[in-house]
Amino acid sequence: QLQLQESGPGLVNPSETLTLTCSVSGGSINGTTDYWGWIRQPPGKELEWIGSINYDGATYYNPSLKSRVILSVGSSKDQSSLKVTSVTAADTAVYYCARHIFSVRYRFDPWGQGTLVTVSS
Amino acid sequence: EIVLTQSPGTLSLSPGETATLSCRANQNVRRDYLAWYQQKPGQAPRLLIYGTSMRATGIPDRFSGSGSGTDFTLTVSRLEPEDFAVYHCQQYGYSTHTFGQGTKLEIK
Repeated sequence: QLQLQESGPGLVNPSETLTLTCSVSGGSINGTTDYWGWIRQPPGKELEWIGSINYDGATYYNPSLKSRVILSVGSSKDQSSLKVTSVTAADTAVYYCARHIFSVRYRFDPWGQGTLVTVSS
Repeated sequence: EIVLTQSPGTLSLSPGETATLSCRANQNVRRDYLAWYQQKPGQAPRLLIYGTSMRATGIPDRFSGSGSGTDFTLTVSRLEPEDFAVYHCQQYGYSTHTFGQGTKLEIK
């Protein structure tokens, strides 16, 4: 069954760029109508969709984050990367990647386990 | 942006009872675009319901979803100990996905 796993540094300095990678196993998002979705959850707060990208590189972003977010797909097509530039403490959150099913009835399923990123000097 | 408001914030019930969770939108949401997730402490959200009323794979029929327009409901019948968690609703509209703030279902 499809599994996703996030990886990246757990601590990022303010004003720098946060970079995370999502790896897929047990299946593929390549060549399908599905997208990789990125979602975050600040401590004690609600989930926030960041953006989504498909295997072909087509992207769409949350307008509130669009100016600071870059999504990309790896050359193997089994990985997606998230970059958030000019981070502040407000970007501290658990970051999740998920398969974003984007046909007929949109949903995120399954999700990776998530990775906590803390922005602090 | 469509804002989702979930109520109640916390719901205290006993095993065997029925939980009714509400998700209200400030604008109409297409039924195909409304989903519910369950999240336990330290875990990622898990898809329960999509398209307002369709159960995800492996989800027991104790979980059901309904609603239309701006009002949607998740019902959990015959509560089991493993059902006590936080539940999030999520929608797509105006090219953006948004989530509600969550309802915590706790053991009374």
